[in-house]
Amino acid sequence: QVQLQESGPGLVKPSQTLSLTCTVSGGSISSGGYYWSWIRQHPGKGLEWIGYIYYSGSTYYNPSLKSRVTISVDTSKNQFSLKLSSVTAADTAVYYCARLAAAGTWDYWGQGTLVTVSS
Amino acid sequence: EIVMTQSPATLSVSPGERATLSCRASQSVSSNLAWYQQKPGQAPRLLIYGASTRATGIPARFSGSGSGTEFTLTISSLQSEDFAVYYCQQYNNWPPRTFGQGTKVEIK
Repeated sequence: QVQLQESGPGLVKPSQTLSLTCTVSGGSISSGGYYWSWIRQHPGKGLEWIGYIYYSGSTYYNPSLKSRVTISVDTSKNQFSLKLSSVTAADTAVYYCARLAAAGTWDYWGQGTLVTVSS
Repeated sequence: EIVMTQSPATLSVSPGERATLSCRASQSVSSNLAWYQQKPGQAPRLLIYGASTRATGIPARFSGSGSGTEFTLTISSLQSEDFAVYYCQQYNNWPPRTFGQGTKVEIK
């Protein structure tokens, strides 16, 4: 059973960079066939896809966030990471990591981590 | 960007009754449409993909239909554990992969 777990600071100051890591267990990122994703959910709101990465390092980002987002992968640790720069209060959200299957749907999700942007 | 519109925003249903949720795409997404269920404090769970295929372990009371721009999720007989928010998501045209704004199914 694949499991994903987000980790990182729960509080980030405005203008700084939000950094989160997702650790995958029960399956290898390097095995291929899946894209490793970040999705966020603003408080009480819907879901917003941020971007995803393949084990080879190929990335795809939401155009609305592309200028501020970097997703990277560390296959040796079976982890992938999110960096979101120049954050504002509008970036306060629950951030999920998830596995994107080739079919185009997210089949495994982490539990989510709340990141608050505040001074 | 394809915009997904769900209706109604909130659906009040009694346990045991049928619930019908709608999702409309701003342009055709073929059958590349998924449904997710999200309970408070939990991550979304994949219910349906390919517009009508149930994901592994999803009960048969959940069914999906539609293609092109109009889709429906039906829960044939609501159980207590089915009260949640449901999202549709298209994966035909991307980036970005877009979600609807959600339909909350609440107890009547």
